[in-house]
Amino acid sequence: DADVTQTPRNRITKTGKRIMLECSQTKGHDRMYWYRQDPGLGLQLIYYSFDVKDINKGEISDGYSVSRQAQAKFSLSLESAIPNQTALYFCATSDLGGEAFFGQGTRLTVV
Amino acid sequence: GQNIDQPTEMTATEGAIVQINCTYQTSGFNGLFWYQQHAGEAPTFLSYNVLDGLEEKGRFSSFLSRSKGYSYLLLKELQMKDSASYLCAVRFWANNDMRFGAGTRLTVKP
Repeated sequence: DADVTQTPRNRITKTGKRIMLECSQTKGHDRMYWYRQDPGLGLQLIYYSFDVKDINKGEISDGYSVSRQAQAKFSLSLESAIPNQTALYFCATSDLGGEAFFGQGTRLTVV
Repeated sequence: GQNIDQPTEMTATEGAIVQINCTYQTSGFNGLFWYQQHAGEAPTFLSYNVLDGLEEKGRFSSFLSRSKGYSYLLLKELQMKDSASYLCAVRFWANNDMRFGAGTRLTVKP
């Protein structure tokens, strides 16, 4: 099993719908991150969390919300999806100061 | 801001050496990472520098100069499978999160 698991792997949704992307990890890391990647571009940080009670906005948090349900689970929600949120979304984890480990990504299309 | 800059694209020949540069804002620097990402896949960790100098890992090496806000990734004996995007990421003290450059797309030709 993968250390960082994202569900779903692919999703097509309609404009205005609410959607949740889920991430779980077995690394035992405290830190979890959500990134967005647009074609040909790098990773933009949406939200990050350093423990269950700590949630922080990243570079592009508008239109997104997150929930850290447990140390191992960090979900990303789009309250009302819009077409420019079509992208590849990655969840990642790390310990203090260490490298990030990424999930396999969720390809989201908003039509 | 926390601008992290890399060239957009590079091309090199199989068997050759290529150097991918990364520059970043020096204020609050707390470590630099290099990742490899094949199209449509997750990034995978290559190297980490927090002190000045060269870190070597097989065919891959990474260099850091903190005073210049500069790093490079050196790939030797290039193979076709090295065709991928290479992402530079920096951790800053202010937020202690990890911010990425836009990535350099490397194409290795026969």
